[in-house]
Amino acid sequence: QITLKESGPTLVKPTQTLTLTCTFSGFSLSTSGVGVGWIRQSPGKALEWLALVYWDDDQRYSPSLKSRLTITKDTSKNQVGLTLTNVDPVDTATYYCTHTYSSNYFDYWGQGTLVTVSS
Amino acid sequence: SYVLTQPPSVSVAPGQTARFTCGGHNIGSKTVHWYQQKPGQAPMLVVHDDTDRPSGIPERFAGSNSGTTATLTISRVEAGDEADYYCQVWHSGDLIWVFGGGTKLTVL
Repeated sequence: QITLKESGPTLVKPTQTLTLTCTFSGFSLSTSGVGVGWIRQSPGKALEWLALVYWDDDQRYSPSLKSRLTITKDTSKNQVGLTLTNVDPVDTATYYCTHTYSSNYFDYWGQGTLVTVSS
Repeated sequence: SYVLTQPPSVSVAPGQTARFTCGGHNIGSKTVHWYQQKPGQAPMLVVHDDTDRPSGIPERFAGSNSGTTATLTISRVEAGDEADYYCQVWHSGDLIWVFGGGTKLTVL
């Protein structure tokens, strides 16, 4: 059974760096074809893909946020991290961790974590 | 970049058919995936690769894709189908995943 769970701060001040962790189970990020991605959703808005890391450490980023995002993986801990620098209130959103396997869709999602950016 | 366009809302009575469109340049050449998101919940995959349903998704959910429009069709709509529906593609040109703006289904 595949599960993913996001963790991190619920409140971040503007200009600070947001660091989120996705802890997963039921699969290994060392298995060929596996990827873990981050997707966010601002309140009342649509889904926005942010970043994804593959089993071979190939990293993909949203072009509009690439300069501010870093995705990392720790295969031994079954974790994927996401950092977003210089946050702004527009970065207030629910951040979801997702799984993909040898495909271009996301078949498992975490419950999401709401992050508010406010002074 | 690549843009997917979805109408903001669809309303149908119970038992009727709901259709959700997803438009994009030459979308017929891409594979389209659909997600259902109920209030307060994470999205859930309901159709992948244009027409395939994950295990557990009822046959009432059907996808199609041709030309400039992909469509998700829900037959015999139930009150429990009320949710937001998002289409998604992988854009090989920029190596990115793209979501549509979502369509809210209201069951009258």
